Amino acid sequence: DIQLTQSPSFLSASVGDRVTITCRASQDISSSLAWFQQKPGKAPKLLIYAASTLQSGVPSRFSGSGSGTEFTLTISSLQPEDFATYYCQQLNGYPRTFGQGTKVEIK
Amino acid sequence: EVQLVESGGGLVQPGRSLRLSCTVSGLTFGDYGMSWFRQAPGKGLEWVGFIRSKAYGGTTEYAASVKGRFTISRDDSKSIAYLQMNSLKTEDTAVYYCTRDKLGRYADYWGQGTLVTVSS
Repeated sequence: DIQLTQSPSFLSASVGDRVTITCRASQDISSSLAWFQQKPGKAPKLLIYAASTLQSGVPSRFSGSGSGTEFTLTISSLQPEDFATYYCQQLNGYPRTFGQGTKVEIK
Repeated sequence: EVQLVESGGGLVQPGRSLRLSCTVSGLTFGDYGMSWFRQAPGKGLEWVGFIRSKAYGGTTEYAASVKGRFTISRDDSKSIAYLQMNSLKTEDTAVYYCTRDKLGRYADYWGQGTLVTVSS
């Protein structure tokens, strides 16, 4: 199975900060990666797919980059509603796997 | 408006069965693959399985942790996807989500989730 490792696991930041989360795959997954945001008690929300394509309706402060084994999710200017847990997911074959999550907290 | 609504969760004893339903509205259900995910209390997301649209054979894929115990099916006439869960274990306790899969892979619409608790 393909393992995904996110870093950091926890991130403390202030409103307006630029935030970057990294997701590393244990093998080449091309651009078959998605990023999700999840708030407590809610279903996850798709932010980015195919590594860098912004899902419809998602604010442009979110961006994704990378291919192969290293990927990043960047929030250009953190907003109050962005405090949540973020997950990467690989979709290069089965089983689909997730990173362990990155919790973004208010500093 | 696209809506996915899971139902059928609840408390069940180990070794018993449960069937979850995912009722979809607002899109042409038969055109899309559907996935199930779960999230144990306080834990991360886990992919459970996937069913392709009939155009792609309606075939299924499963996580190793559920293969042979869980079965995903679909009724395109009713716009419902099912997750049949047999031989349930305490470690199957989780909130279960169904999703519509964009481009056959990306979970862009999610239900609200349904809690399954496996306990004696």
